[in-house]
Amino acid sequence: NAGVTQTPKFQVLKTGQSMTLQCAQDMNHEYMSWYRQDPGMGLRLIHYSVGAGITDQGEVPNGYNVSRSTTEDFPLRLLSAAPSQTSVYFCASTRGGQGANYGYTFGSGTRLTVV
Amino acid sequence: QQQVKQSPQSLIVQKGGISIINCAYENTAFDYFPWYQQFPGKGPALLIAIRPDVSEKKEGRFTISFNKSAKQFSLHIMDSQPGDSATYFCAASDRDDKIIFGKGTRLHILP
Repeated sequence: NAGVTQTPKFQVLKTGQSMTLQCAQDMNHEYMSWYRQDPGMGLRLIHYSVGAGITDQGEVPNGYNVSRSTTEDFPLRLLSAAPSQTSVYFCASTRGGQGANYGYTFGSGTRLTVV
Repeated sequence: QQQVKQSPQSLIVQKGGISIINCAYENTAFDYFPWYQQFPGKGPALLIAIRPDVSEKKEGRFTISFNKSAKQFSLHIMDSQPGDSATYFCAASDRDDKIIFGKGTRLHILP
């Protein structure tokens, strides 16, 4: 079982470039989320999904797009990278379902630098 | 609006001592309160969690105390060890399973 796999692990982008952060899970989890982690700010929710074809915005969605075409994959797209998007990005998934409140499994993160 | 407030930001404890991290929440719809542990370069990992129908949950050296009326909960680490040095996040979620995290506490256990 691989759990939650994020690629790439490191990325440097120039301002204005676009890219997609990949996230895949093999646990058949319904719920998936993207967080960004910045020093002193904790983990802030960007977007989340409660199942294939369903997505919603979190606390800091601006500048990011998501889609969920399959249960396994939940890619995060940066439309036009800005230095303020320099961060560590985590993808997480949980079995979830009607408030069952199972713990989230996190990936190992993508460290993104925008210059 | 910060829905989950965590303190302190950093904590230094002697080996064998008790580490205490506190959190407060505002949304009364929250019904699940997990704690996550994160080591440098790794993703957070679920440590222990509690629901509001109990006031305390213990797993080994880790205990959550929960005060529903005060909307506060805390993590106690008994007999703290150098291997416990990490960043700890409290969190809260509602029935939609959308989790909101505190800002984290960097814990350092002195050998």
